[in-house]
Amino acid sequence: AQSVAQPEDQVNVAEGNPLTVKCTYSVSGNPYLFWYVQYPNRGLQFLLKYITGDNLVKGSYGFEAEFNKSQTSFHLKKPSALVSDSALYFCAVRDPSTSGTYKYIFGTGTRLKVLA
Amino acid sequence: DTAVSQTPKYLVTQMGNDKSIKCEQNLGHDTMYWYKQDSKKFLKIMFSYNNKELIINETVPNRFSPKSPDKAHLNLHINSLELGDSAVYFCASSQDRFRILSLHFGNGTRLTVT
Repeated sequence: AQSVAQPEDQVNVAEGNPLTVKCTYSVSGNPYLFWYVQYPNRGLQFLLKYITGDNLVKGSYGFEAEFNKSQTSFHLKKPSALVSDSALYFCAVRDPSTSGTYKYIFGTGTRLKVLA
Repeated sequence: DTAVSQTPKYLVTQMGNDKSIKCEQNLGHDTMYWYKQDSKKFLKIMFSYNNKELIINETVPNRFSPKSPDKAHLNLHINSLELGDSAVYFCASSQDRFRILSLHFGNGTRLTVT
């Protein structure tokens, strides 16, 4: 089965500094990877996805993610963090279930705290 | 215009009761999901429906019964509630189940069982 791992429970970064939220994946076949953000008391919001092609994927709110096949990683990045970026971030992978129907498997989440 | 809406937002009930959570999407999507987020924020899929047909049923106690009266609605009924059912339940939708598409989430229903 496919899986994703987020090794950091929390990442702290100063406002204006670059940020990285890490994700590694384990898949059989082609990896289809996603990043979502969750603000307090809200549902998850889609940021970006990787299907194929360019290893650098650009998404919403200035975020981007770098797909690295040799390291099986899909790290989320932003050149300059904002306090408003503070939230819970989830990496996800699409997983074909036994019925042949796809489902989405989420990582354990990383809390990003941007300090003013 | 809320794309995926869930009701109620909060649900507090006692052990042994039966409760329902409703979900509606106005995106015209074919596929809908129920996810459970526990106190550690882990998200786990429970069910998925495609155009009213159950297509994913994870290892969930049969006290949980989803129902989809039409493709825009997916409700979750829980019988004999237990303390361990306390969590935030998220409804989500995607345009279809075959293409590599993002999920659209509702804002969740926080269920507290006392």
